Amino acid sequence: DVKVTQSSRYLVKRTGEKVFLECVQDMDHENMFWYRQDPGLGLRLIYFSYDVKMKEKGDIPEGYSVSREKKERFSLILESASTNQTSMYLCASRGGDSPWEQYFGPGTRLTVT
Amino acid sequence: AQSVSQHNHHVILSEAASLELGCNYSYGGTVNLFWYVQYPGQHLQLLLKYFSGDPLVKGIKGFEAEFIKSKFSFNLRKPSVQWSDTAEYFCAVQGGSQGNLIFGKGTKLSVKP
Repeated sequence: DVKVTQSSRYLVKRTGEKVFLECVQDMDHENMFWYRQDPGLGLRLIYFSYDVKMKEKGDIPEGYSVSREKKERFSLILESASTNQTSMYLCASRGGDSPWEQYFGPGTRLTVT
Repeated sequence: AQSVSQHNHHVILSEAASLELGCNYSYGGTVNLFWYVQYPGQHLQLLLKYFSGDPLVKGIKGFEAEFIKSKFSFNLRKPSVQWSDTAEYFCAVQGGSQGNLIFGKGTKLSVKP
């Protein structure tokens, strides 16, 4: 089974702090994604990556950056957290034998106060 | 641009009632279609998918969906819901060169015992 893990289930940070959200997948997938999930808005794509050191902006990249130094790890960075970034963040990966199927991590609920 | 529309934000049913959740998409090319489910406190997981072939696809836990190309629809159905089906359901479309998923805003299903 594909496993996508995220470093924290719950996180509370203060406005202006730099925040790192980590995601690791164990299936050697090429593609990795970061979404945010908000009530009534569904999932919105923040950034994605097709390969190590590659990154592409999604639909809502403002205020975020990403890093992919190793194939299995994809980090989301909030350079200066703001209250409107309070959300559920979901990581996903895709590739291997099922190139069209996306596997999701459990999510990190981030609260910025 | 691709988009996905889920008609119902919140559906409340009694156990044994039949379920149909609507999903329409806008995209002119070939698409892959998915339904994901998120049970309370759990990660997003794939319920069923359509790539090609028989437009009636069966998924896990007795769910099925029908792809109607002329209507750009991919509605989710279940003949008899259970309390354990209480969850949020997301329709997603995958198309274009990058193959990223576009999600609908989700439908919350509450099943009363």
